[in-house]
Amino acid sequence: DAGITQSPRYKITETGRQVTLMCHQTWSHSYMFWYRQDLGHGLRLIYYSAAADITDKGEVPDGYVVSRSKTENFPLTLESATRSQTSVYFCASRQRGQDNQPQHFGDGTRLSIL
Amino acid sequence: GNSVTQMEGPVTLSEEAFLTINCTYTATGYPSLFWYVQYPGEGLQLLLKATKADDKGSNKGFEATYRKETTSFHLEKGSVQVSDSAVYFCALSGAGSYQLTFGKGTKLSVIP
Repeated sequence: DAGITQSPRYKITETGRQVTLMCHQTWSHSYMFWYRQDLGHGLRLIYYSAAADITDKGEVPDGYVVSRSKTENFPLTLESATRSQTSVYFCASRQRGQDNQPQHFGDGTRLSIL
Repeated sequence: GNSVTQMEGPVTLSEEAFLTINCTYTATGYPSLFWYVQYPGEGLQLLLKATKADDKGSNKGFEATYRKETTSFHLEKGSVQVSDSAVYFCALSGAGSYQLTFGKGTKLSVIP
């Protein structure tokens, strides 16, 4: 089915470990985004990408790395996980065009750092 | 910069009650406005949108009108159901921008 999928849905890891969250979309959307959702903060933008090989920092990029070698994939890596990175992570995509285009979200990855 | 302020919850209503969730925004120019809904354990889904002043977005019995003069986009529904229990987010996309600015979300619980 077409859409945006995130994997894994749940992940538990330890502080200091590297972990990669995957995001794949089948619409060939140009724009992709990573958010984290925390109680009291709503959604905060971590990184975004306007096209393959073009990425930029959002509001809370520290401790995260992204890449986008293919249009359909936008992995997010925590290089050395910390407890403060325990959160629910959402990937989203949007097609190029007018401002009124909505973003489409995946179902999220719930990440726990012990 | 752009910002969105929405009423904080949680909001608890009885089934068939009238719902209003307030949302106001700050932005330059003419942003596009959105309401997203998040059901438990799921991602955000677009509920409705409006792209210019006085536009009314509607979907699944929910409505919101883009009010430029009051910089507001309040979400309303005449008769809520238990299945409407979710978190609702107001968001805007600034003119010329592909990024969304979100409010902090309002949790709605509807009890039978």
